[in-house]
Amino acid sequence: QVQLVQSGSELKKPGASVKLSCKASGYTFTRYPIHWVRQAPGQGLEWMGCINTNTGNPIYAQAFTGRFVFSLDTSVSTTYLQISSLKAEDTAIYYCAREIDTDGGDSWGQGTLVTVSS
Amino acid sequence: QSALTQPPSASGSPGQSVTISCTGTSSDVGGYNYVSWFQQHPGKAPKLMIYEVSKRPSGVPDRFSGSKSGNTASLTVSGLQAEDEADYYCASYAGGSNVFGTGTRVTVL
Repeated sequence: QVQLVQSGSELKKPGASVKLSCKASGYTFTRYPIHWVRQAPGQGLEWMGCINTNTGNPIYAQAFTGRFVFSLDTSVSTTYLQISSLKAEDTAIYYCAREIDTDGGDSWGQGTLVTVSS
Repeated sequence: QSALTQPPSASGSPGQSVTISCTGTSSDVGGYNYVSWFQQHPGKAPKLMIYEVSKRPSGVPDRFSGSKSGNTASLTVSGLQAEDEADYYCASYAGGSNVFGTGTRVTVL
């Protein structure tokens, strides 16, 4: 079955960097883009952007340009989100999600909690 | 890209219906038939309930239905059940990007 498995929780100090992973299985990895979604504590969902898993081309939402970088390694069906110069306001759960297909199939990772605190 | 506007809360008794609105612009909701609805229970990842305005993925009960008129999309949950109590988010394609709604907490009284 289609599954996305994300890396574990991270605790980082302000100014540090973090790289999250999202490993896909159960389908052809390069067929569907992967989206990243942020959810701050007690807040709603924010679309951060997506990466074309066939070409590697990323698209970033306006609020997520500069410190946020999507990348991928097709050899292990894995997408990455790197966040640099971490701030307290980056504290959130970060989800990866596969693009919805024509039959309504999609998949979400379990989420990775990133806590930024001194 | 501004978030789509949803009411903060909605409620209904078991067996009743509740409808949640999702208002955007002609650049997102009104411009494309790519509106999705997600259900999120506390501590869980979102779950797709409706895609392409009104289509239901396999396994989603037919109590859930979606529609769109102009710049506003709607999700209706008929025959409310206790397990429908959750947060609901709409999302829309916006021409090269995507945007979520502000979220609605549905309470089953």
